[in-house]
Amino acid sequence: DIVMTQSPDSLAVSLGERATINCKSSQSVLYSSNNKKYLAWYQQKPGQPPKLLIYWASTRESGVPDRFSGSGSGTDFTLTITSLQAEDVAVYYCQQYYSTPFTFGPGTKVDIK
Amino acid sequence: EVQLVESGGGLVQPGGSLRLSCAASGFTFSTYWMSWVRQAPGKGLEWVANIKQDGSEKYYVDSVKGRFTISRDNARNSLYLQMNGLRDEDTALYYCARVSGGWSRTAFDIWGQGTMVTVSS
Repeated sequence: DIVMTQSPDSLAVSLGERATINCKSSQSVLYSSNNKKYLAWYQQKPGQPPKLLIYWASTRESGVPDRFSGSGSGTDFTLTITSLQAEDVAVYYCQQYYSTPFTFGPGTKVDIK
Repeated sequence: EVQLVESGGGLVQPGGSLRLSCAASGFTFSTYWMSWVRQAPGKGLEWVANIKQDGSEKYYVDSVKGRFTISRDNARNSLYLQMNGLRDEDTALYYCARVSGGWSRTAFDIWGQGTMVTVSS
């Protein structure tokens, strides 16, 4: 199974500042035949289901603000929130869909400082 | 509006059974892989199972193999999860999720609100 880890566990960022969340997979999730990285990011607010933010490691889902961006290589990935807004307070999860069992990272909680 | 609505959760004793349902609307259900994902109280997300558009392929996380069965009825635009031999560790909010793009290995782009399953004596 591919194990996903995230860092930090939580972070507090001032409004308007940048938040950076890291995600690491225990093996590459880059599929060489199509050069796609099988990695997604989700946002989950309290009492709500997860919401897809980013897929293929860097493609923003329709309707997601452009302050959210994803990047990374085959095993190391980053979700960046530039200019944090109050509505961005949530837990963020990375997930690999390269192989079953699809696995999620443990989550990173983002708060306002 | 694209929507997934789960139902069927509840309180069940260890060893018992439950059948979860997920009603899909607003999209062509039969053209998408579908999944179940669960979240234990205060914990992270765990993928449980996937099913192909025609039901011919199914995949499960090891911890539920042999106990849970995913199925679908495309005529009723519905996804199901039959859960047998329930254990305390199956206590969770169970989400129905759409696998985007019609492919087997893509992100989950639509999620339901979830149905709570509590396993306790």
